[in-house]
Amino acid sequence: GQNIDQPTEMTATEGAIVQINCTYQTSGFNGLFWYQQHAGEAPTFLSYNVLDGLEEKGRFSSFLSRSKGYSYLLLKELQMKDSASYLCAVDDYKLSFGAGTTVTVRA
Amino acid sequence: SAVISQKPSRDICQRGTSLTIQCQVDSQVTMMFWYRQQPGQSLTLIATANQGSEATYESGFVIDKFPISRPNLTFSTLTVSNMSPEDSSIYLCSVGVRGYEQYFGPGTRLTVT
Repeated sequence: GQNIDQPTEMTATEGAIVQINCTYQTSGFNGLFWYQQHAGEAPTFLSYNVLDGLEEKGRFSSFLSRSKGYSYLLLKELQMKDSASYLCAVDDYKLSFGAGTTVTVRA
Repeated sequence: SAVISQKPSRDICQRGTSLTIQCQVDSQVTMMFWYRQQPGQSLTLIATANQGSEATYESGFVIDKFPISRPNLTFSTLTVSNMSPEDSSIYLCSVGVRGYEQYFGPGTRLTVT
């Protein structure tokens, strides 16, 4: 089976940095996705990691360690619009999603 | 990326009835998927919609309850049959692009009374 864990909630201040961790134990692994989902909207693609290491895309970075079954999403220079749910998903020819981390950005 | 539309965007249905949800993509895609997101929960894959053959269902989902059609590479439908209040959920279609990126449609919010 698939087991994907991420924290339920995180709160941070505008302009700060937040790191959302994701650990996984899955029967197969091709890569790991991060999605952002605002309330009432569909998930939007943020990043996809296949190899170990850090991928940077503007204010968002994603890290993967395949040997440790671990990833994190780093959100820098937080803005109010970053308040959303962040979903970690493992690609095993189909996507298995974690429960999501709700990030609240406060002024 | 791909532009995905779904119809209807929301519906309120009575138990025992069926609803068919349509998913249209603006380009031909090989992979199309249907997900369910129950209130306050994450996404669960229902099935992979295969063009020209029967859909591939995940554990816990069966064709009699969730029949799927995929007549071509830009369109798919999901039917939620014999609905009960437990089927109240958001149903999303998604497509695979460039081998690994998956994009989601806006979702269909279903309430069963």
